[in-house]
Amino acid sequence: GENVEQHPSTLSVQEGDSAVIKCTYSDSASNYFPWYKQELGKRPQLIIDIRSNVGEKKDQRIAVTLNKTAKHFSLHITETQPEDSAVYFCAASSRDNQGGKLIFGQGTELSVKP
Amino acid sequence: NAGVTQTPKFRILKIGQSMTLQCTQDMNHNYMYWYRQDPGMGLKLIYYSVGAGITDKGEVPNGYNVSRSTTEDFPLRLELAAPSQTSVYFCASSYTANTEAFFGQGTRLTVV
Repeated sequence: GENVEQHPSTLSVQEGDSAVIKCTYSDSASNYFPWYKQELGKRPQLIIDIRSNVGEKKDQRIAVTLNKTAKHFSLHITETQPEDSAVYFCAASSRDNQGGKLIFGQGTELSVKP
Repeated sequence: NAGVTQTPKFRILKIGQSMTLQCTQDMNHNYMYWYRQDPGMGLKLIYYSVGAGITDKGEVPNGYNVSRSTTEDFPLRLELAAPSQTSVYFCASSYTANTEAFFGQGTRLTVV
């Protein structure tokens, strides 16, 4: 079945620096790759997603890149701010004979120091 | 429009007891999921459903059961609770497997 590996597990940056989180997936048929942010004690919420027909997508300070050949995708956050501190999850939609399921990576705890 | 609603928010169970975690969504989504989140760990898929009457196992289904009799509801049943089932449980729903999944607020379950 689908497996999603996420690195690093923790990431600490200074305010204003960039942060990069990387994920790899195993199922070459996966075609949807969302990223979720989870603040402490809250539910995960979508921040950006990318589909397999697109190589890069940006939304203000957040961007996601996808390399289908290598089966990996990355989240880039520029000009980090303290409010970016949270756990970030990547996910991949795994196709199966019943329409697919969403598998998550292990999460990255991002800490932005003022 | 309430989104995804889970009940209860907190629960303490004794070993061997059973319970049902309730999940309902009002967005007419076809897909519904149950995940568990252990401390410092990611979201592990327990069961999912692609529509009423259809369910399938995820990554960690042992010790759980689900049903999907309506589009709106996707309850998760724990039989013979064990300490290893202590976790935070999230229900989620999406229109398809390739669209945004919306999460409920979570249920914190402790088995003692």
